[in-house]
Amino acid sequence: NAGVMQNPRHLVRRRGQEARLRCSPMKGHSHVYWYRQLPEEGLKFMVYLQKENIIDESGMPKERFSAEFPKEGPSILRIQQVVRGDSAAYFCASSPPLTGGRYEQYFGPGTRLTVT
Amino acid sequence: DQQVKQNSPSLSVQEGRISILNCDYTNSMFDYFLWYKKYPAEGPTFLISISSIKDKNEDGRFTVFLNKSAKHLSLHIVPSQPGDSAVYFCAASAVRGAQKLVFGQGTRLTINP
Repeated sequence: NAGVMQNPRHLVRRRGQEARLRCSPMKGHSHVYWYRQLPEEGLKFMVYLQKENIIDESGMPKERFSAEFPKEGPSILRIQQVVRGDSAAYFCASSPPLTGGRYEQYFGPGTRLTVT
Repeated sequence: DQQVKQNSPSLSVQEGRISILNCDYTNSMFDYFLWYKKYPAEGPTFLISISSIKDKNEDGRFTVFLNKSAKHLSLHIVPSQPGDSAVYFCAASAVRGAQKLVFGQGTRLTINP
């Protein structure tokens, strides 16, 4: 059973370009989460999505950032007009339907975004 | 506002001994707690979790203890092995609300041979 897949693993963008990060959840998982980790810090929640729905985007910056999880295909985190401060590791996690009293999230390997 | 805190940035333990990692939280709405292990350039790997209705959960060499009155949890690893050297993150969620995880800053555990 394949784990959470993210691509690309590394992404270099110049200031002002767009970055698109992709995440395919584990088979059978219908919930996707995006987190960001800045150097020497813990992971910070960005957004929680189910198929075709944004459930909680309280951690998303108000501008330039957007996320989607379409009916078909991977979840996409999109960053427009990137700035140097966007350089970070972006992790996607997925979880099965939230039943049975267990609420673990399983993480992908991350996309390391470098803005030059 | 750091709602989940891991006050020890690093910890060094002899192989075969017990490793104890600590975590404190401030939000009384948190009712589910998790520990993750992370190697460089990889994603966090789930280790063990505990619901607030319990005070202990055990899985092999890993045991998590929860003290709700003190808003404190700890992860015990015994016996410690060299492969346990990694960064460990404590995380919490308020399950009745959003499912987002709030992470601590991490503790770097080094197991010495």
